[in-house]
Amino acid sequence: GESVGLHLPTLSVQEGDNSIINCAYSNSASDYFIWYKQESGKGPQFIIDIRSNMDKRQGQRVTVLLNKTVKHLSLQIAATQPGDSAVYFCAENISGGYNKLIFGAGTRLAVHP
Amino acid sequence: KAGVTQTPRYLIKTRGQQVTLSCSPISGHRSVSWYQQTPGQGLQFLFEYFSETQRNKGNFPGRFSGRQFSNSRSEMNVSTLELGDSALYLCASSETSGSTLGSQYFGPGTRLTVT
Repeated sequence: GESVGLHLPTLSVQEGDNSIINCAYSNSASDYFIWYKQESGKGPQFIIDIRSNMDKRQGQRVTVLLNKTVKHLSLQIAATQPGDSAVYFCAENISGGYNKLIFGAGTRLAVHP
Repeated sequence: KAGVTQTPRYLIKTRGQQVTLSCSPISGHRSVSWYQQTPGQGLQFLFEYFSETQRNKGNFPGRFSGRQFSNSRSEMNVSTLELGDSALYLCASSETSGSTLGSQYFGPGTRLTVT
């Protein structure tokens, strides 16, 4: 597969542990946020989204937290599995900007058995 | 529903040539966005089309262009290719555009190599 990013920060966790991936977004006018997972050789896969009128949203094994005061987004993955190993991107959409996503640099999650 | 499909998956071109990439969105999705992904610059927005109209454009030179057809399928074209255009080109589709945003779903990408 191809390299998504050569010098991405890496989070290493043990299988079964919880993972927390953080993201600082850039624009206070952003009102919609998405987390994506990208495996080698594939396109980004939608995980979960959240709108700016919420501060928490839960999915299956994943939770997204939004702190607008400090422009911070986090993705929590419960009971991390080897299949969760991938690069994770946060993306923001500026209000009125149609479907123009601004992506963060990404974090590589490495899950060890 | 079938996902977003992109063709071709891999392409090798030489400098100065032009290339056309194709994207078929998820059935019922009217918005198609294009992104360029490189190891150095990450994922960068190229442009978005909704109902055959370009709604937004990123900071790329005019050599990058696109269009959308009445069936929502989209193509992007890069003319006078440069080595720096080597990248993974991703297409994403969404049901909505504008004030009511929907989730964007990505295709597998087209890997373009310029030699």
